[in-house]
Amino acid sequence: EAGVVQSPRYKIIEKKQPVAFWCNPISGHNTLYWYLQNLGQGPELLIRYENEEAVDDSQLPKDRFSAERLKGVDSTLKIQPAELGDSAVYLCASSSRGAGGNEQFFGPGTRLTVL
Amino acid sequence: QQPVQSPQAVILREGEDAVINCSSSKALYSVHWYRQKHGEAPVFLMILLKGGEQKGHEKISASFNEKKQQSSLYLTASQLSYSGTYFCGTGDSGSARQLTFGSGTQLTVLP
Repeated sequence: EAGVVQSPRYKIIEKKQPVAFWCNPISGHNTLYWYLQNLGQGPELLIRYENEEAVDDSQLPKDRFSAERLKGVDSTLKIQPAELGDSAVYLCASSSRGAGGNEQFFGPGTRLTVL
Repeated sequence: QQPVQSPQAVILREGEDAVINCSSSKALYSVHWYRQKHGEAPVFLMILLKGGEQKGHEKISASFNEKKQQSSLYLTASQLSYSGTYFCGTGDSGSARQLTFGSGTQLTVLP
């Protein structure tokens, strides 16, 4: 079974440029998460989807960040315009529907460097 | 509120034991433990749900004390492959599908 797929793995851009990250979750997983991970820190939730619905985006900086999950499968996270402080690893994770406490499967992440 | 992990870092020799703690200021429904190696994705280790249960897999086990809002991860007879950063992720009551992660404990196992 394929794991969570993310692309690109690395991205270097200049500040004020737009950038987009793509995630394909494990087949059949209804829940999809986007996390931001700074160096030496744990993942911080940006947004959680249940199928195609964003059920928690309270931590997503909506002035510059946007996300979508069309058809409830793969998802795209966009930053426009990027700032120096956005440099981090962006992780995507997915889990299946069920009782609370289901394990989350993480993708390898996209390492973003903003110059 | 982010859970607090301790210690921040630990270095041990192969074969030694280690304990990693995770505590929260909020009532917990679940605690998840993950291990992340440098440059890789976090990998799931185990979930503990409220009820004071303890789980284990070979030489890695964990406990969850819901009254104290704490969980501990026990690594017995550490192997070189145990090296990495360990994160606890906590789910509070009513929002168990969403986790708040601690800042991690960096574990280094030396030969």
